[in-house]
Amino acid sequence: DGGITQSPKYLFRKEGQNVTLSCEQNLNHDAMYWYRQDPGQGLRLIYYSQIVNDFQKGDIAEGYSVSREKKESFPLTVTSAQKNPTAFYLCASSIQGSAEAFFGQGTRLTVV
Amino acid sequence: KNEVEQSPQNLTAQEGEFITINCSYSVGISALHWLQQHPGGGIVSLFMLSSGKKKHGRLIATINIQEKHSSLHITASHPRDSAVYICAVNKNNDMRFGAGTRLTVKP
Repeated sequence: DGGITQSPKYLFRKEGQNVTLSCEQNLNHDAMYWYRQDPGQGLRLIYYSQIVNDFQKGDIAEGYSVSREKKESFPLTVTSAQKNPTAFYLCASSIQGSAEAFFGQGTRLTVV
Repeated sequence: KNEVEQSPQNLTAQEGEFITINCSYSVGISALHWLQQHPGGGIVSLFMLSSGKKKHGRLIATINIQEKHSSLHITASHPRDSAVYICAVNKNNDMRFGAGTRLTVKP
């Protein structure tokens, strides 16, 4: 079955460590997105990529980095520069030019 | 002010009740989405619409482009409908999200 897979579902890290969240899709979608969700707030865009080897900053990119070396994969690294990394992170993908988006199951990151 | 506003923030209903969740937006859009997020966190797309009305089972979504307003209705609500419902709009190349409405349906 086609879909988006995020792993792991829960992730714990010590403060000051970088951590990478995985997002893989087998839908052959060109565009992929990373969102952050905090309690009581809507999802906010961190980074997006519309094509392999290219990505753009979203509204809250500071403290995050991404890569898009393969069409299927769009990993997100939460760096030690991110001041409040504890959050729920969602990955999404879509066909370029289409308004329809597909979401992963999310990764809940807790930094202690 | 958020570009996408939802109301109410929280909603508790008894099983069988008719439920309405509202969404207002302030930007030009190409499409509006209603999403459902279960306690585990994963998001499922319920509807994508750009005009009129769509129905799927007990769920109905409507949109009024002139008034920049959409509603999600659930008929004959059931405890399994308990979830967070999120309104999102397509603006240019990305989506803008409401904060969500947490629905609890009690048996």
